[in-house]
Amino acid sequence: GAGVSQSPRYKVAKRGQDVALRCDPISGHVSLFWYQQALGQGPEFLTYFQNEAQLDKSGLPSDRFFAERPEGSVSTLKIQRTQQEDSAVYLCASSLVQTNTEAFFGQGTRLTVV
Amino acid sequence: GNSVTQMEGPVTLSEEAFLTINCTYTATGYPSLFWYVQYPGEGLQLLLKATKADDKGSNKGFEATYRKETTSFHLEKGSVQVSDSAVYFCALSVRSNDYKLSFGAGTTVTVRA
Repeated sequence: GAGVSQSPRYKVAKRGQDVALRCDPISGHVSLFWYQQALGQGPEFLTYFQNEAQLDKSGLPSDRFFAERPEGSVSTLKIQRTQQEDSAVYLCASSLVQTNTEAFFGQGTRLTVV
Repeated sequence: GNSVTQMEGPVTLSEEAFLTINCTYTATGYPSLFWYVQYPGEGLQLLLKATKADDKGSNKGFEATYRKETTSFHLEKGSVQVSDSAVYFCALSVRSNDYKLSFGAGTTVTVRA
């Protein structure tokens, strides 16, 4: 596709449910980033992949959060046993090179935990 | 640590008015500075950037100058249009982790015809 695609666009989960959020980066982009954006706040870094290697996961809030990119293309962010504080927009971005200065962002997945 | 503080919104302007959004930063190391924009229903887009002191980034009539002495990167536009209505985010990255952006909270700008 022409841009970064995220699915689903909206997700409502019951507290305690597991969720999986998908990101399709721009074809050929080496780097992939996940950010979390709480309501009224700026995005917060979660994790970074270069190809299939997860080089930085320092921003993941807890061990309930897990991200993978097994073939260096599509990435999935999984949240286990969701809590209300996980409600946020999850943004994915990709770039051709390591740095993020030319990163392209998807529209995000809005997760609401009820 | 690295952080960005930007002017709180929302900001409401009339068309052709002058827009300024203040942004100041704290960084360990020498940061690169960015402004991102999010139009309604769209993803974040890079608006402009500056990578060293006194650099001026510009795009679509917007400008921002990297001021190391005041640790600021204020966004300005001389004459706004309705199509400039969006959320604007100031952000930085440092060389040691140049893949990681630290964002401000965002400023919502509404331009009325």
